[in-house]
Amino acid sequence: GAGVSQSPSNKVTEKGKDVELRCDPISGHTALYWYRQSLGQGLEFLIYFQGNSAPDKSGLPSDRFSAERTGGSVSTLTIQRTQQEDSAVYLCASSLAGTVSYNEQFFGPGTRLTVL
Amino acid sequence: DQQVKQNSPSLSVQEGRISILNCDYTNSMFDYFLWYKKYPAEGPTFLISISSIKDKNEDGRFTVFLNKSAKHLSLHIVPSQPGDSAVYFCAATPGYQKVTFGTGTKLQVIP
Repeated sequence: GAGVSQSPSNKVTEKGKDVELRCDPISGHTALYWYRQSLGQGLEFLIYFQGNSAPDKSGLPSDRFSAERTGGSVSTLTIQRTQQEDSAVYLCASSLAGTVSYNEQFFGPGTRLTVL
Repeated sequence: DQQVKQNSPSLSVQEGRISILNCDYTNSMFDYFLWYKKYPAEGPTFLISISSIKDKNEDGRFTVFLNKSAKHLSLHIVPSQPGDSAVYFCAATPGYQKVTFGTGTKLQVIP
């Protein structure tokens, strides 16, 4: 069965470079989420999409972070001018529409980003 | 400000015994609570949930208890099995999709 997929699984980059992380949600899931997990921390909410729009961007840590979603499906999280503190596992999740009540979120395996 | 707290980073339990994982929250707007389980190199998977209108929800070996007055919930696993060894995340939401996660508790079940 097709779950949530993320690519790349691992990314090593140099400080100051830009990176793009990709998420393919479960087909038919209209809601998509990005989280990150830094070492020793919980899952930190970054952004939430309903369709192609992002009603909640409150978790993006700085203006170096941006995300887009096209066609109500694939999403890309972009980090510009990466810093060492951006090193973390970036997790994507998707769910059925969820503006009224909670629907279970299904997570991908994550992208481990290391900024040297 | 950590709105969902899991104060025990790790827990070791003998196989067959009960595992109790605890979670505290501070936001009184939370009314739906979840537990997720995470194996290394995999994304978290949903385990069990509870609505604020209940104080207990049971699913097989897993039971979640909610004490609203104390803003505390716990996950009981009985009997514990080696395959239960994982990181368990407590999470909460005010009823829609923005979920706040705790820092996780690493459970080790010793055969």
